[in-house]
Amino acid sequence: AQSVSQHNHHVILSEAASLELGCNYSYGGTVNLFWYVQYPGQHLQLLLKYFSGDPLVKGIKGFEAEFIKSKFSFNLRKPSVQWSDTAEYFCAVIRGILTGGGNKLTFGTGTQLKVEL
Amino acid sequence: DTGVTQSPTHLIKTRGQQVTLRCSPISGHKSVSWYQQVLGQGPQFIFQYYEKEERGRGNFPDRFSARQFPNYSSELNVNALLLGDSALYLCASSFSRIQETQYFGPGTRLLVL
Repeated sequence: AQSVSQHNHHVILSEAASLELGCNYSYGGTVNLFWYVQYPGQHLQLLLKYFSGDPLVKGIKGFEAEFIKSKFSFNLRKPSVQWSDTAEYFCAVIRGILTGGGNKLTFGTGTQLKVEL
Repeated sequence: DTGVTQSPTHLIKTRGQQVTLRCSPISGHKSVSWYQQVLGQGPQFIFQYYEKEERGRGNFPDRFSARQFPNYSSELNVNALLLGDSALYLCASSFSRIQETQYFGPGTRLLVL
């Protein structure tokens, strides 16, 4: 089935550690890619997005993600995490127009990140 | 700048009842989408409305319906509630119909007893 996979469901890191969260999708053709974050008690917020161009995209709060088309991946990275990065992170995909994507976001199951002091 | 707003924030219903959830998009946004987020999972697409017309529907039963008003606000209706409908219902808005960044509201948490 076509889907979005996030392989790490729970990640625990110490402050200043580096972070990489995996995201793979199984759609062919053009895709738009997103990472959303949900901090405790808050609503989903856009972290970063890729539509076209440079496959390395930078988002808010020092996060970045790299689109590797050949691997169907869009992994999220941050060189040094902070306690305030504790949150749930969701990868999401919109399929291209020609494959009927419209504006439907398909989400992964999420990764719960806990950063310890 | 007001973001997406949703009401109510929490709701408790019993099986078989009907519920209506409301959403106001960001000013200037014409597209509203609804998502269901069950605990431990990512949001799942229910509907998209644009210019008062349904533009997309997810894999949900006909008990779920929605509409969009001339001011672009939207309502999601769920009839004959089941226990499995307990979830966080999210509304997202975007300026246009396709290939757009969506901005989410805080959600309505529905508990069906």
